[in-house]
Amino acid sequence: DTGVSQNPRHKITKRGQNVTFRCDPISEHNRLYWYRQTLGQGPEFLTYFQNEAQLEKSRLLSDRFSAERPKGSFSTLEIQRTEQGDSAMYLCASSLLLAGEETQYFGPGTRLLVL
Amino acid sequence: KQEVTQIPAALSVPEGENLVLNCSFTDSAIYNLQWFRQDPGKGLTSLLLIQSSQREQTSGRLNASLDKSSGRSTLYIAASQPGDSATYLCAVDFSWGKLQFGAGTQVVVTP
Repeated sequence: DTGVSQNPRHKITKRGQNVTFRCDPISEHNRLYWYRQTLGQGPEFLTYFQNEAQLEKSRLLSDRFSAERPKGSFSTLEIQRTEQGDSAMYLCASSLLLAGEETQYFGPGTRLLVL
Repeated sequence: KQEVTQIPAALSVPEGENLVLNCSFTDSAIYNLQWFRQDPGKGLTSLLLIQSSQREQTSGRLNASLDKSSGRSTLYIAASQPGDSATYLCAVDFSWGKLQFGAGTQVVVTP
């Protein structure tokens, strides 16, 4: 399967713990996005990479959140000192930006529950 | 402030009827607009993408139109089937790839 994959699919943690999620994009895609979705809402943009460079971070992304994309391949999203308000679905998407056009392809998401 | 709104929030139709889903956005300066489908607890599946220069896109039973001047897009699904039951999300690219989503329309197609 050559789609976007995310691991783990589900994560339950206690408040104050650190968690890390991984996203493997479609091969050759140069852009990678992270979004967060809470129940009954559409996804909200968090951050994105072009190759290994992190180009923008949303103001939703507090200092407890950090994302990396070493070597422009897979990406990790880490949340430190989790809070109950961090409970959400974390979605990753990748795209190939060519001639100013792109289509984002989404992974299945990681559902986080903070107790 | 750039906003994306989807009305209605929920819709129930009998099998065979055509579905009409609406999306409105506040800024006509967009790069593209994309429609997605989301099944419960799952990720998003891209249905159609309309570039800023286009007026519509079609794929099988799906047709999406775009009117930038009025800030509206409509997704038509012909001859609905129970398998079309899902949440449909509209996403607008206002700023170089950062999609802004509506809250979605939850669709139920009854047999």
